[in-house]
Amino acid sequence: AQSVTQPDIHITVSEGASLELRCNYSYGATPYLFWYVQSPGQGLQLLLKYFSGDTLVQGIKGFEAEFKRSQSSFNLRKPSVHWSDAAEYFCAVGGGSYIPTFGRGTSLIVHP
Amino acid sequence: GAGVSQSPRYKVTKRGQDVTLRCDPISSHATLYWYQQALGQGPEFLTYFNYEAQPDKSGLPSDRFSAERPEGSISTLTIQRTEQRDSAMYRCASSLGGNRNYNEQFFGPGTRLTVL
Repeated sequence: AQSVTQPDIHITVSEGASLELRCNYSYGATPYLFWYVQSPGQGLQLLLKYFSGDTLVQGIKGFEAEFKRSQSSFNLRKPSVHWSDAAEYFCAVGGGSYIPTFGRGTSLIVHP
Repeated sequence: GAGVSQSPRYKVTKRGQDVTLRCDPISSHATLYWYQQALGQGPEFLTYFNYEAQPDKSGLPSDRFSAERPEGSISTLTIQRTEQRDSAMYRCASSLGGNRNYNEQFFGPGTRLTVL
């Protein structure tokens, strides 16, 4: 069965600092990997996805993620965080059906 | 429509009552998904539709849960004899679908259900 672990429930960073959100997955074959962002009162929005090819994936809003098969990880990064990035971030893994299994989420708090 | 809409946004009900939640997907989208998201958790898959067909109901937690999409557009999720453990955010998503390729899912804002 596929599963996702997001070990950090909350992350606090200062505005302008770099960010890395951790994600580890379990899946028996080559996974499809996703990062979503959920802002208060909004639906989930896809930030980026990995299916194959280049292991460094660029997404919207200046985010990127790197697929590391040896570590079963797909960590999300951003070089400089903005106050508007404060939100809940979900990593997800999917298979052939493309229906994602989500992690529990990481809440990002941005200090001015 | 321009995006996925859900109604009501908030629903408070008493234990034992039936509730029906509605999802209006993006008009060109063939595939529609329902998820349940408990507080502090990620969304969990319930079921999905391709047009009117419902190929996968594996995530529905019990036979008290059912979903319909009779005309291949708007969908409803009904929970009969609600229990307190049903309290959660219920999210709907839609995608272009219609083939075996990946199509991005677009999520609605959700319905927050509270069962007293």
